[in-house]
Amino acid sequence: GEDVEQSLFLSVREGDSSVINCTYTDSSSTYLYWYKQEPGAGLQLLTYIFSNMDMKQDQRLTVLLNKKDKHLSLRIADTQTGDSAIYFCALDTGGFKTIFGAGTRLFVKA
Amino acid sequence: NAGVTQTPKFRVLKTGQSMTLLCAQDMNHEYMYWYRQDPGMGLRLIHYSVGEGTTAKGEVPDGYNVSRLKKQNFLLGLESAAPSQTSVYFCASTPLDDSNYGYTFGSGTRLTVV
Repeated sequence: GEDVEQSLFLSVREGDSSVINCTYTDSSSTYLYWYKQEPGAGLQLLTYIFSNMDMKQDQRLTVLLNKKDKHLSLRIADTQTGDSAIYFCALDTGGFKTIFGAGTRLFVKA
Repeated sequence: NAGVTQTPKFRVLKTGQSMTLLCAQDMNHEYMYWYRQDPGMGLRLIHYSVGEGTTAKGEVPDGYNVSRLKKQNFLLGLESAAPSQTSVYFCASTPLDDSNYGYTFGSGTRLTVV
């Protein structure tokens, strides 16, 4: 079945770039998403990319999609302490079915 | 706009008790969803609704029931709670026209069954 995998933890220093990676098995996804979850809150949509795109940039966020390797990444430039959160990769596989990864907890050290 | 509002935020139940989780959205979204979030796992879809009066099963529907009597509300019921239902529950919604903007989530209900 479909599967989405993410590493569980990432630690970076404030001001550095963060790269959060996601690999997936389903190749039919139309949209791929990145969500952010802060403590005690629901998931908030950060950005998304269409499956026919390779890259999308939105201010400090850069999403890269490698369809051949089924690899999605989120780069956060100039990471700030406010970026500390859990980041979820998610794939829209159609039919009201979105597959979520387990989330990557980003720690930002001052 | 309040977005998606969930009540209650926290609840402790004894095994066998019942309860209803409430979800309300004020964005006129057609589709609504209930997910559960467990440690080390992604969100799993319990039930969803594509419109008022309709519901459908998701990935993990057993032990739960839902109702969508009004477009803006989606209720999740546990008839006889079990410790395996200890989880954080999220309600979400999406508009009819385009789901590529992703979900709007509520802030969650943390349920503990003892």
